[in-house]
Amino acid sequence: ETGVTQSPTHLIKTRGQQVTLRCSSQSGHNTVSWYQQALGQGPQFIFQYYREEENGRGNFPPRFSGLQFPNYSSELNVNALELDDSALYLCASSSRLVASTDTQYFGPGTRLTVL
Amino acid sequence: RKEVEQDPGPFNVPEGATVAFNCTYSNSASQSFFWYRQDCRKEPKLLMSVYSSGNEDGRFTAQLNRASQYISLLIRDSKLSDSATYLCVVKWGGGADGLTFGKGTHLIIQP
Repeated sequence: ETGVTQSPTHLIKTRGQQVTLRCSSQSGHNTVSWYQQALGQGPQFIFQYYREEENGRGNFPPRFSGLQFPNYSSELNVNALELDDSALYLCASSSRLVASTDTQYFGPGTRLTVL
Repeated sequence: RKEVEQDPGPFNVPEGATVAFNCTYSNSASQSFFWYRQDCRKEPKLLMSVYSSGNEDGRFTAQLNRASQYISLLIRDSKLSDSATYLCVVKWGGGADGLTFGKGTHLIIQP
């Protein structure tokens, strides 16, 4: 096991609602990245948090936002949910302390269904 | 543009056979390369990093060809437990960039 945890495991929301997903990083890791994986696709990078600030973003609209806390845990917030937001949301933690070892380790994911 | 392309398969292979996957990437300014394995409805798990000189981990061998911009994974003596989706992954730029994944190649090992 990677030591990365996510909650909740499953979630059902309706179109237009807002959702918050949570991630606890592996001990010793200070960087958290979020990914969206639609059915049959590879994960797509949403954004990354380092030192409590967004530090890189993929091609996702502003209604996808996040936070990182002093203990390096993180939240992903999605506003105005759309049907296409239905996916597996994955959190990955890594360490910036050693540049050569920035391998990302994934949590089990949160499966979001938007009706 | 940063893209990673893989043959989605499925690859149906008898147990004990050798199977190889290839993956191409679009941008030469790439930094790091990985193969991840993903079981059905589970998270991706790092299988191995890919180094310029090629590297081996037991039955698994990874190769990188920067000039042709492709990465390969070879699995020897395949086991039933190797059945999974194999994701080719590229990391571009500095530490702020996330990982770019291919869509994955689905492998089915048959008894």
